[in-house]
Amino acid sequence: AQSVTQLGSHVSVSEGALVLLRCNYSSSVPPYLFWYVQYPNQGLQLLLKYTTGATLVKGINGFEAEFKKSETSFHLTKPSAHMSDAAEYFCAVIPETGGFKTIFGAGTRLFVKA
Amino acid sequence: DGGITQSPKYLFRKEGQNVTLSCEQNLNHDAMYWYRQDPGQGLRLIYYSQIVNDFQKGDIAEGYSVSREKKESFPLTVTSAQKNPTAFYLCASSISGTLRTQYFGPGTRLLVL
Repeated sequence: AQSVTQLGSHVSVSEGALVLLRCNYSSSVPPYLFWYVQYPNQGLQLLLKYTTGATLVKGINGFEAEFKKSETSFHLTKPSAHMSDAAEYFCAVIPETGGFKTIFGAGTRLFVKA
Repeated sequence: DGGITQSPKYLFRKEGQNVTLSCEQNLNHDAMYWYRQDPGQGLRLIYYSQIVNDFQKGDIAEGYSVSREKKESFPLTVTSAQKNPTAFYLCASSISGTLRTQYFGPGTRLLVL
């Protein structure tokens, strides 16, 4: 079965430091890949998505992610963290094989220190 | 503005009581979903609907029921059979088809008295 693994339930960075949130998926066929962000007591908001084409995807708020097929990874990065980036981040996959589910990772909570 | 609304923001349930969570969208999306969110567990799919008058069980449907009488509306009922209902409930919608970016509502937090 398809699965999504987010390494680290909590990540803490200093303001201005690099943000790196890791996501690996299990699939023999490249799926569609998403990153969503959730601020406290709110719904999820799409940050970026990969479908086909360029493997480096740029999203909102300065985030980007790179699809690496050989590593089955889709890590999320931002060069310089801002206090407003503190939130929970979810990696998600729609399997290429079809079905109607989007499979979400367990989430990574990002803390930003002043 | 197009979007998804959920009400109420907070809901309290008494023992043995059924409660209904509202979800409305004006995005003209065919598909709608209900997720349950518990700390450290990500999102788990309760029910989804691809079209009006049709819906399917997700991974954790026991103790829940839904209806889809209108394209815009997908209410979720948490029945007394759901023994651990305390959670954050999220409704989402998307177009049909393979590339289904989901758009989420603000959520309803259900608490048991």
